[in-house]
Amino acid sequence: GENVEQHPSTLSVQEGDSAVIKCTYSDSASNYFPWYKQELGKRPQLIIDIRSNVGEKKDQRIAVTLNKTAKHFSLHITETQPEDSAVYFCAASMRQAGTALIFGKGTTLSVSS
Amino acid sequence: NAGVTQTPKFQVLKTGQSMTLQCAQDMNHNSMYWYRQDPGMGLRLIYYSASEGTTDKGEVPNGYNVSRLNKREFSLRLESAAPSQTSVYFCASSPLGVMANQPQHFGDGTRLSIL
Repeated sequence: GENVEQHPSTLSVQEGDSAVIKCTYSDSASNYFPWYKQELGKRPQLIIDIRSNVGEKKDQRIAVTLNKTAKHFSLHITETQPEDSAVYFCAASMRQAGTALIFGKGTTLSVSS
Repeated sequence: NAGVTQTPKFQVLKTGQSMTLQCAQDMNHNSMYWYRQDPGMGLRLIYYSASEGTTDKGEVPNGYNVSRLNKREFSLRLESAAPSQTSVYFCASSPLGVMANQPQHFGDGTRLSIL
């Protein structure tokens, strides 16, 4: 079936470093790619999203890039801070089940000061 | 605005018991979703409702039923709970559905343990 693969599963960086999380998807018709941040015991919250007609989108320290040919997209966090520590999920819209988001399995980001 | 509200927040059941998880949104969204979240598995779609009056299966529908009661409310029912259904359940909503390229807004989750 359609799926989304996310790497790495864990990522540890020093405060001020950059962090990159990568996802690949299988459905060539996917056209919407959100990223969610989930702090421990909290709800997933949207931090940035990108649509298939755009190759890159930036919001302050967060950016997302999309390569539709290769079917992969990435989250870039610059100047990381301890409060960036959380689990990050990528997702892609999929034709399966008509209309749905399929999520990656998550990346646990730890930023140490 | 409360956004997406889920009740209860925590529940412990015995194997074979039934229960209904409630979800309501006050954002006038058309589409609503139920996910389960297990360690290392991400969020998996159980059922969704693209609009009032319609429901469809997601990735992992077995053992669950849903009801879109009205535009605001979307409930998830476990008819005969099994230990494998121990999980955190999230409800979400979006204005027009994911294929309209709109984000989903999540509730706080229901932590369900089945003994």
